[in-house]
Amino acid sequence: QVQLVQSGAEVKKPGASVKVSCKASGYTFTSYDINWVRQATGQGLEWMGWMNPNSGNTGYAQKFQGRVTMTRNTSISTAYMELSSLRSEDTAVYYCARRTFVDWYFDLWGRGTLVTVSS
Amino acid sequence: DIQMTQSPSSLSASVGDRVTITCRASQGISNYLAWYQQKPGKVPKLLIYAASTLQSGVPSRFSGSGSGTDFTLTISSLQPEDVATYYCQKYNSARALTFGGGTKVEIK
Repeated sequence: QVQLVQSGAEVKKPGASVKVSCKASGYTFTSYDINWVRQATGQGLEWMGWMNPNSGNTGYAQKFQGRVTMTRNTSISTAYMELSSLRSEDTAVYYCARRTFVDWYFDLWGRGTLVTVSS
Repeated sequence: DIQMTQSPSSLSASVGDRVTITCRASQGISNYLAWYQQKPGKVPKLLIYAASTLQSGVPSRFSGSGSGTDFTLTISSLQPEDVATYYCQKYNSARALTFGGGTKVEIK
């Protein structure tokens, strides 16, 4: 079954970092870029960046430059998104999403990981 | 950066009604536009890409049109299962894959 399985919910204090994982199955992990999109409660979708699992190359949205790091472990078909210097405004559901082979839209999404930032 | 503005932000329509949602780009993006449907508590689902191409498995009552700066998503006959928030997304540049603010569709 083609799917992206994300890690469980996290609670972090302001200033801390969080690392969310996204495990791919049912397709060749290195053939499709993984993107990260977040959604605060009751709010819209916000794209954070992409990672090419084959090369490890990344591209980040300007808003998150310097604070986000996207990596992967190809041996276990897993992508990671680490966000540092967390603040309350980072409380959101974080989704990984597979970019299609053809272009920069997303045809497969993980179920999301809730990250709560609270003192 | 190119901004994506959706309108209306919410709408209420009757079953069987024709529903139209608009997405406007602040600069031309050719046809590099996708539409997603997000049902309450669920994950976004790709409906349309390249402004007007229906993703496999999506009901034919959904259609998309437009090019340049103005785009529309149309539901030809609204069904109860279409209650959701709809988002447009531009993808003309991999440096900024921006989503619109969303349009919440409810049944009257």
